[in-house]
Amino acid sequence: AQKVTQAQTEISVVEKEDVTLDCVYETRDTTYYLFWYKQPPSGELVFLIRRNSFDEQNEISGRYSWNFQKSTSSFNFTITASQVVDSAVYFCALSEGGSNYKLTFGKGTLLTVNP
Amino acid sequence: EPEVTQTPSHQVTQMGQEVILRCVPISNHLYFYWYRQILGQKVEFLVSFYNNEISEKSEIFDDQFSVERPDGSNFTLKIRSTKLEDSAMYFCASRGGEGPDTQYFGPGTRLTVL
Repeated sequence: AQKVTQAQTEISVVEKEDVTLDCVYETRDTTYYLFWYKQPPSGELVFLIRRNSFDEQNEISGRYSWNFQKSTSSFNFTITASQVVDSAVYFCALSEGGSNYKLTFGKGTLLTVNP
Repeated sequence: EPEVTQTPSHQVTQMGQEVILRCVPISNHLYFYWYRQILGQKVEFLVSFYNNEISEKSEIFDDQFSVERPDGSNFTLKIRSTKLEDSAMYFCASRGGEGPDTQYFGPGTRLTVL
């Protein structure tokens, strides 16, 4: 069974600080896919990134970066120089091919960036 | 940029009433999903749909739920007799084709059962 754990329920930082959101996953499949979604206060789910299990390269997109480590089953997300607009709930999610690629979400981390 | 749309944005209903939540997936997508999020909780999978039939459903998706693709564009979720615990945000999602294409989510319908 697939499972995603986001141990940090809430994080509060001051603008311009760097912040890392943790995600640990469990799966029996050798091929799987990891995602991060952002849910701003308006409520929609915004796709941020998808990573395949066979591609452990870390990725950077502007102020966002992702660290995928299969050895520790982690897919952490770092925001550099955080901004107030980054305030949102961030969800990590996992999908497996044998399960119609349905997404299993973690409980989310509420990030508050204070000015 | 193509997007998933959902109507209504907010639905208020009385316990025991039927509701239909509507979604228009991205036009060339083939796989469709419904998820729900009870307030303050995580997003949970309800059902996946492909080729005009349910491909997988969760334990939450019991006999009071049904899905349908009545035409070439709409994808609906019906709750036959709503309960208080059905109050949640319901998200529709779609993805393109074979393989793990990214699922794109609609803005959600907030269902309030009184």
